[in-house]
Amino acid sequence: GENVEQHPSTLSVQEGDSAVIKCTYSDSASNYFPWYKQELGKGPQLIIDIRSNVGEKKDQRIAVTLNKTAKHFSLHITETQPEDSAVYFCAASWGNFNKFYFGSGTKLNVKP
Amino acid sequence: DGGITQSPKYLFRKEGQNVTLSCEQNLNHDAMYWYRQDPGQGLRLIYYSQIVNDFQKGDIAEGYSVSREKKESFPLTVTSAQKNPTAFYLCASSPTSGRITYEQYFGPGTRLTVT
Repeated sequence: GENVEQHPSTLSVQEGDSAVIKCTYSDSASNYFPWYKQELGKGPQLIIDIRSNVGEKKDQRIAVTLNKTAKHFSLHITETQPEDSAVYFCAASWGNFNKFYFGSGTKLNVKP
Repeated sequence: DGGITQSPKYLFRKEGQNVTLSCEQNLNHDAMYWYRQDPGQGLRLIYYSQIVNDFQKGDIAEGYSVSREKKESFPLTVTSAQKNPTAFYLCASSPTSGRITYEQYFGPGTRLTVT
């Protein structure tokens, strides 16, 4: 089955700096890659996603890049703010009953 | 107000007791999912259902059971056979359409503590 690895497990940045979180996947059939943000004690919320026919997608301060050849994708957050502090999860899916395979999460701390 | 509701937010049980976690959605989604989250770990799939009256085991189904009698509801029972039931449980739902993968929408979660 699919295996998703996520790095780093924790990331601390100064407010205004950029943050990058990376994920690799093992199954070349995976074609959908969402990123979720989870605040303490709450359920994850989708912040951005990308499909395998696209190499990059951007939404304001958030962007995701996908390298299908290397089987990795990354989340980029620019101009970080304290409210960006949360745990971020990547996932991969290939349409197999919409099953998602999640990374282990990155705890992002944005210091004011 | 559309979305997924899970109740209760916190649940406490004694070891050896079965407990049922509620999950309801009014998004008209066909598919529903149950995940378990342990501290510092990702989400692990317990059970999922693509349609009413049908469900499949996920990666960690042992000690859990589900039912899907209505499209809106997908309750999870944590049985006494589950060796380490204390965890944060998340329910999710999504539309389904053949080969196209859709976003999963998550509920707020239930934190279960078994002592």
